[in-house]
Amino acid sequence: TQLLEQSPQFLSIQEGENLTVYCNSSSVFSSLQWYRQEPGEGPVLLVTVVTGGEVKKLKRLTFQFGDARKDSSLHITAAQPGDTGLYLCAGLQAGTALIFGKGTTLSVSS
Amino acid sequence: DAGVTQSPTHLIKTRGQQVTLRCSPISGHKSVSWYQQVLGQGPQFIFQYYEKEERGRGNFPDRFSARQFPNYSSELNVNALLLGDSALYLCASSFPGQGLYEQYFGPGTRLTVT
Repeated sequence: TQLLEQSPQFLSIQEGENLTVYCNSSSVFSSLQWYRQEPGEGPVLLVTVVTGGEVKKLKRLTFQFGDARKDSSLHITAAQPGDTGLYLCAGLQAGTALIFGKGTTLSVSS
Repeated sequence: DAGVTQSPTHLIKTRGQQVTLRCSPISGHKSVSWYQQVLGQGPQFIFQYYEKEERGRGNFPDRFSARQFPNYSSELNVNALLLGDSALYLCASSFPGQGLYEQYFGPGTRLTVT
C-alpha cells in the first residue's frame, strides 16, 4: 500500500505570513491532488498535478509536484484567516482509489 | 448545479445494529466512491463503483458493503456496527474517462456508534 506522509501536522500562524505544507511518499503516483476541508464538510478539490516538476498557481496558493512524482508541496503566500482548514494531499492508486495523507491543520489568526 | 448529496447528515446507532447511508452523485457523474474519515485522519478508501459494478475495494471487513443503482446513486451498508465504526462517511463522485479521476465530495454522514 502506498502511503502519503504530510508535514507539519499542525500549523498556527498570523495573518500575512507565508507557509509551506509537504506531502511525501516512497511511491510514484500518476497524479496527486490537494484538497481543503472545513469542519463538518467534505474535502474540496483545489488542484490536480500530473507531470513531474509541474507548478500550478491558484491565487495565493502554489502547488508543486516533484520531478519523480513522489512528493508535492503547497505554498501559501500572505495567509488569511479564510485559509484556515485541513489541507489534504491525495494520490491516485491503481486507477481507482485516492490514498490520502493524514492532513495538515492550518490555523490563521488575525 | 447540485453537488454531491448525502443522507442522513447525522446518525446515532447502537453496537450490533445495521446502517444504510445514501449518496446522489453530481449529474452526469457515473462513478461513486465511499470513504471513511476518522477524527484527526485523512479519508480512507472503502469502495468505488462505476456503472453499477464494483471497481475497487479498500481494506475494510465484509461487514461493509455497497451498491450503485441505475441512476448512479449509491448506498453504503454497514452491519454489526462496532464503536470503531464511528466516523464521517464521505461519498465522492467522478466522471471517469477524463483521466484524472478528480473526485467531488459530499458533506458526509456523521455516524456515531454507542
